[in-house]
Amino acid sequence: EIVLTQSPVTLSVSPGERATLSCRASQSVSDNFSWYQQKPGQAPRLLVFGASTRATGVPVRFSGSGSGTEFTLTISNLQSEDSALYYCQQHTNWPPSWTFGQGTKVEIK
Amino acid sequence: EVLLVQSGAELKKPGESLRLSCRGSGYTFTSHWINWVRQLPGKGLEWMGRIDPRDSYTNYAPSFQGHVVFSVDKSISTAYLQWSSLQASDTAIYYCARRGEPCGGQTCYYTFDYWGQGTVVTVSS
Repeated sequence: EIVLTQSPVTLSVSPGERATLSCRASQSVSDNFSWYQQKPGQAPRLLVFGASTRATGVPVRFSGSGSGTEFTLTISNLQSEDSALYYCQQHTNWPPSWTFGQGTKVEIK
Repeated sequence: EVLLVQSGAELKKPGESLRLSCRGSGYTFTSHWINWVRQLPGKGLEWMGRIDPRDSYTNYAPSFQGHVVFSVDKSISTAYLQWSSLQASDTAIYYCARRGEPCGGQTCYYTFDYWGQGTVVTVSS
């Protein structure tokens, strides 16, 4: 079973600064890799798929990168509305399964 | 507009049965798998498994195999998550999520592109 480890657990960033979130896989994964944002009391929202493609309607300040075992979500020019939990996710084709990281909480200073 | 609408919050006692629903609209229901995701209180997301609405074929994550059952009713574009005997440890928020296949460049990827609003399940004596 592939394990995804996100770091840091909590990230405190000032408005306008950059936040860098990491996700490490226990073994090499395909680029079937996604990032989600979850705000309190809301369902998760897809931000990035294919490791680096922004989903429809996602602001350009969100960018994904990485391959193999190391993936990164970067939030540039952090806004107050970006305060949320962020989860990484990988997909295995067969048998089909999805795995989530444990999440990184982004706080605004 | 694609929507997944889930049934309302539930308060149940240990040992009781429960069925949650997730109704899809705004797309061809049988064209996309429905996944179920659990979120324990204050915790992260766990994939429970999936069902293919075309043929009701299912895959369950090992942690949930034998404890829950997925089903669908294609005629009303609705997927279900069912327990026959709830435990206190089933207290959580349950989300349904559509497996979409958005494309980036010339490659398409499987991901969870639309989510239901979640159903809060509380199991307490």
